[in-house]
Amino acid sequence: EVQLVESGGGSVQPGGSLRLSCSISGFTFSSYWMGWVRQAPGKGLEWVANMNQDGSKKYHGDSVKGRFTISRDNAKNSLDLQMNSLRAEDTAVYYCARDNDYFDHWGQGALVTVSS
Amino acid sequence: EIVLTQSPATLSLSPGERATLSCRASQSVSSYLAWYQQKPGQAPRLLIYDASNRATGVPARFSGGGSGTDFTLTISSLEPEDSAVYYCQQRSYWKTFGQGTKLEIK
Repeated sequence: EVQLVESGGGSVQPGGSLRLSCSISGFTFSSYWMGWVRQAPGKGLEWVANMNQDGSKKYHGDSVKGRFTISRDNAKNSLDLQMNSLRAEDTAVYYCARDNDYFDHWGQGALVTVSS
Repeated sequence: EIVLTQSPATLSLSPGERATLSCRASQSVSSYLAWYQQKPGQAPRLLIYDASNRATGVPARFSGGGSGTDFTLTISSLEPEDSAVYYCQQRSYWKTFGQGTKLEIK
């Protein structure tokens, strides 16, 4: 069974940092692109970042470029999202997802709240 | 950025009826379009990929069509459990999502 489990969510003040992690099981992690998608409260979905199998290609959406960094550890079957210089508008549920051209498996999501 | 516009914003139909949801792209995305279903408190679920291919385990009452800039998701005979928000997503140039259509089952 494919499982993606996010951790690391929580509350942080504007300008602060947070690191999300996603633990993956049930498929060969090192064979797939992976990504992060977020959803602000009551809003739609927004692609945040993705990266290829060996980590040599990584892409970030314009709204997070220069502040967020996606990374992976194939030995540990884990995907991370380092989030710096957080803003109120970054408040959202962050989903880890397998990027098989489309997002075909998703985690349950981790809530990040940015507020003073 | 490719903008996806979904219509209608909300759709209210009865069980057994046919639902047709629309997604229009600001420029051609060829057939590189997917549909997702999201129920309250849950992660999205992939329903359709490459415009017309059903994902694993998706019931046959869900079908997708279109190419270029105009796409549809059709649910042939609505079930109560189809109540959800439906999103389209393109992968032709980066990845963007539509704003969603909320489907209510009366």
